[in-house]
Amino acid sequence: EVQLVESGGGLVQPGGSLRLSCVASRFDFNNYWMDWVRQAPGKGLEWVANIRPDGNEKYYVDSVKGRFTISRDNSKNSLYLQMNSLRAEDTAVYYCSARLDVLGQGTTVTVAS
Amino acid sequence: DIHLTQSPSSLSASVGDRVTIACRASQGMRYEFAWYQHKSGKAPKRLIYDASTLESGVPSRFSGSGSGTEFTLTISSLQPEDFATYYCLQYNSYPRTFGQGTKVEMK
Repeated sequence: EVQLVESGGGLVQPGGSLRLSCVASRFDFNNYWMDWVRQAPGKGLEWVANIRPDGNEKYYVDSVKGRFTISRDNSKNSLYLQMNSLRAEDTAVYYCSARLDVLGQGTTVTVAS
Repeated sequence: DIHLTQSPSSLSASVGDRVTIACRASQGMRYEFAWYQHKSGKAPKRLIYDASTLESGVPSRFSGSGSGTEFTLTISSLQPEDFATYYCLQYNSYPRTFGQGTKVEMK
C-alpha cells in the first residue's frame, strides 16, 4: 500500500518561509507525477502544484506562483514544497499526493503573527 | 481555468437512500474526472477516476458517470460509513481544480 508521510508544517509569521517534505514508500516514486493539495480551515480542497517524475516540468496554481517551489529528490523518494512570502491565506493542511491517486495524512501550516 | 460547480452543497439522507451528487464543468472534457471522499482529520480518498472507473477496494455501491461538462457520483444505498464530504476534480488541464464539495449528513 502506498505510503506518504508529510512533515515540516508549523506556525510562521506572515512573510516568512517554510519547507514541507513528503517521504514516499511502497510504490515506484521515480515514475510518478507528484502533487501538493491543501485545505484551508472551513474550506474545500485546493490543488497547489505538481512535478514530473524527472523534475523538469512543474505546474502551480496562480495564487502561489512566484512564492512556492515544488521539487523532488528521487534518490530519497522525497517531495518538497518550499513556501516563501507566506500569507495568512496560505494557512491550511497540506497533503502530498502520488499522481492524485493517493494522498497522505497532511501537515498543518499556520501563518499568523 | 476550468471551474467546477457541485450540487447540492449539502444534503441530508438516511441509511439505504440513493444519493446523487452532480458536478458541472465550465469547459468540456472527455474523461479526466475524479471523485473523492473526505472525512474530517483523515486523508481524502479517491473513489472514482477517469469519470467512471471504480478505485480498487471501493464498494460497488459507488459509481460515476458523465462526460463533456456534466458528471455524477451516485451512491446506490447509503451506508453509515459514507457520511462525509465529497469532491469532484478535473485533471484535463492546468490548474487542476476541485469542486466546492458536497457534505452528506445523516437525516
